[in-house]
Amino acid sequence: ETVMTQSPVTLSVSPGETVILSCRASQSISDDLAWYQQKPGQAPRLLIYGASTRDTGIPARFSGSGSGTEFTLTVSSLQSEDSATYYCQEYNNWPAMYTFGQGTKLEIK
Amino acid sequence: QLQESGPGVVKPSETLSLTCTVSGVSLSSSSYYWGWIRQPPGKGLEWIGNVVWSGVTHYNSSLASRVTISVDTSKNQIYLKMRSVTAADTAVYYCARLPPDRDDSWGQGTLVTVSS
Repeated sequence: ETVMTQSPVTLSVSPGETVILSCRASQSISDDLAWYQQKPGQAPRLLIYGASTRDTGIPARFSGSGSGTEFTLTVSSLQSEDSATYYCQEYNNWPAMYTFGQGTKLEIK
Repeated sequence: QLQESGPGVVKPSETLSLTCTVSGVSLSSSSYYWGWIRQPPGKGLEWIGNVVWSGVTHYNSSLASRVTISVDTSKNQIYLKMRSVTAADTAVYYCARLPPDRDDSWGQGTLVTVSS
């Protein structure tokens, strides 16, 4: 089973800044990685799939990169509505297994 | 679109049963899998399992002994049954199309509380 580790666990940044969230896989998952944004009381919203492809309607401020075991989600020009918890998810062995990271909680000051 | 439904409270040791109604796409003509994911209050996301139109299923090994997922293409619905529930199964349960892909789709989620 692949273990997904996200860092940092929490962070607080100011509007307009750029933040980089990290996700590390315990073994190579090629580019089978997705990023989700979840706000309180809402279902997760897909931001990125295939490590770097934005889903429909996702602003260009959100960008994903990486392959193998190291992945990042970069959010630029941060806005107050970006306050949320962000999860990575690997699906290298779909449909037999999917694994989520533990999440990074992002606060906009 | 996906919509979960089912009892909001289940007694310990009983069976949790949920339905996910899919609209806008026919399950019988879709090559996607349709899965269940849960989230205990204040915690992260856990994949439970998924099913494809033909009935082929895959389960999280940690839950496989207690879980059954099925599909009814005539009703365009998928189902989750989880046996012998405990308080640790209290969570928001989501259904979602899998794997993540363009125009991703999740249900709004339904909270199931295990309590006597």
